[in-house]
Amino acid sequence: RKEVEQDPGPFNVPEGATVAFNCTYSNSASQSFFWYRQDCRKEPKLLMSVYSSGNEDGRFTAQLNRASQYISLLIRDSKLSDSATYLCVVTGSGNTPLVFGKGTRLSVIA
Amino acid sequence: NAGVTQTPKFQVLKTGQSMTLQCAQDMNHEYMSWYRQDPGMGLRLIHYSVGAGITDQGEVPNGYNVSRSTTEDFPLRLLSAAPSQTSVYFCASSYGGQGSEQFFGPGTRLTVL
Repeated sequence: RKEVEQDPGPFNVPEGATVAFNCTYSNSASQSFFWYRQDCRKEPKLLMSVYSSGNEDGRFTAQLNRASQYISLLIRDSKLSDSATYLCVVTGSGNTPLVFGKGTRLSVIA
Repeated sequence: NAGVTQTPKFQVLKTGQSMTLQCAQDMNHEYMSWYRQDPGMGLRLIHYSVGAGITDQGEVPNGYNVSRSTTEDFPLRLLSAAPSQTSVYFCASSYGGQGSEQFFGPGTRLTVL
């Protein structure tokens, strides 16, 4: 099982739609969880950290399920500007202290 | 603050050439790291440093060297470039290590012919 797995997409959704991404991770000892956003040909930027109790930032909601080892990202009322690749990131161990998923591509269509 | 800066933005090398990718940050971050990003592979850690004078290998260190003589700078050296090293290279820094927000530079797009 790969350390962090994401559905690569693409997810093509109309403006205003709600879209959800899931990510599974294999290391049960992982302590920190993040969603990063990466625009085409740009560097990744932190979108939000994911806390055990779940957390919300405007239209974005992140959830963590430690028992099932997955995290999720919900985007409500999608905007054209949300079009990007969303990277699931989990702390690992050894020579992979931070493990990045391959990303899920989102295209929001007018 | 400039954040994390990387030079050059683009580079073309011939097989066997060596070069250094530069990375600097002005946020006084102790933790710095180098990643490569290949299509369909995600970001993979090459080397990282938890402070000046301390470096360690990541997931894919072969063919690369690093040093950390100052808090600000973390150069990545390609010893003898190979076509398999064609990639986009990102440098990142953070205040508190891997459990904290990583600030990435804009990347260096390297092609090895």
